Amino acid sequence: KNQVEQSPQSLIILEGKNCTLQCNYTVSPFSNLRWYKQDTGRGPVSLTIMTFSENTKSNGRYTATLDADTKQSSLHITASQLSDSASYICVVSEEIGRASGGSYIPTFGRGTSLIVHP
Amino acid sequence: DSGVTQTPKHLITATGQRVTLRCSPRSGDLSVYWYQQSLDQGLQFLIQYYNGEERAKGNILERFSAQQFPDLHSELNLSSLELGDSALYFCASSVGGWTGANVLTFGAGSRLTVL
Repeated sequence: KNQVEQSPQSLIILEGKNCTLQCNYTVSPFSNLRWYKQDTGRGPVSLTIMTFSENTKSNGRYTATLDADTKQSSLHITASQLSDSASYICVVSEEIGRASGGSYIPTFGRGTSLIVHP
Repeated sequence: DSGVTQTPKHLITATGQRVTLRCSPRSGDLSVYWYQQSLDQGLQFLIQYYNGEERAKGNILERFSAQQFPDLHSELNLSSLELGDSALYFCASSVGGWTGANVLTFGAGSRLTVL
């Protein structure tokens, strides 16, 4: 069964500090990996998307890495801000039926809850 | 505002009932995806439609069904509701039907409470 495991489950840091969130997956065949930020009670917002050939992708203070060999990804947040407090979700997609137009099935991790304290 | 509109925002109903959740995708997006997020659970992919046709199916129960209409809005029908169906239901949209780099735009969700 395809799985996406995230760690830590929750994290509390002080404003201005850096942190790294981890994502391990067993999804195969791999299509792409995304990181989303989800504020409480709101829909997830995409931070980064990486395909098999990419191993680093940045979006402002967010940098995602991907090691497709070890099936691991990380999301590094630098100079954290209070507004970074949210759940960060790793999503790994399995590609299906490409010959027939295709789609992909996403498997969501449970997320890491990040709290940034002043 | 993400551009993806979901209604209703909140819905309270009883077990055994049937409800319909509605989603209007972002302008120009042809794909609609439905997800379920239960308390303390990760998002579960339910189903995807592209330009009116079912494109991919995830963990969607037989009591649930969905469709995408010619104007591209989508409805998720939940019937014979059980307590365990209480969850946030998210709709997302994207431009393409498939691609590894599709960007999904999520709506604000519909919170369903089954009593």
